[in-house]
Amino acid sequence: DSGVTQTPKHLITATGQRVTLRCSPRSGDLSVYWYQQSLDQGLQFLIQYYNGEERAKGNILERFSAQQFPDLHSELNLSSLELGDSALYFCASSVGLAGSAEQYFGPGTRLTVT
Amino acid sequence: EDQVTQSPEALRLQEGESSSLNCSYTVSGLRGLFWYRQDPGKGPEFLFTLYSAGEEKEKERLKATLTKKESFLHITAPKPEDSATYLCAVQAGDYKLSFGAGTTVTVRA
Repeated sequence: DSGVTQTPKHLITATGQRVTLRCSPRSGDLSVYWYQQSLDQGLQFLIQYYNGEERAKGNILERFSAQQFPDLHSELNLSSLELGDSALYFCASSVGLAGSAEQYFGPGTRLTVT
Repeated sequence: EDQVTQSPEALRLQEGESSSLNCSYTVSGLRGLFWYRQDPGKGPEFLFTLYSAGEEKEKERLKATLTKKESFLHITAPKPEDSATYLCAVQAGDYKLSFGAGTTVTVRA
């Protein structure tokens, strides 16, 4: 158990809908990262937050957005969903802003868009 | 752009048969190279961080090494419970992790 929690575990929704994925980082970690893992793309970095502020952006679509709240939990919002958005979404956390801090991953949310 | 290539894609081993996984990378300003283990449907589990060429780290039957262009993950006398996908990732100047596609290891009893 990494100490990172994610809810829900599974999500099934229809195209065009909007969903919110939630992540709670390990106790004491200030950085939260979101990743998408699909069969054909591997693990892709989406976005990073540090202590409530956006710090780095990866291959995140404009239909996706995220935020980190004062209690440090984070939410990833996915809107206008398409079939291709079906994937595992992972949240990870680390102690510091960056450097070479290890990232610890949550169990993931499996999103299925039908 | 950072590139991480892992080989082989899949590796089938007999219990006790040692082998090595390769991770070659192209990155500007390497800050760290990470190895993770991932079981099906679960989140990656952190194994090692390597910072500079020549560095080695060990954990049970796993040993990771780093050169200027690649890293190796050696599995010594593997057991069936070592079956998993092993992911390599590099962290560069912009701090984000870039992952390879992984090597899926299957160890048969």
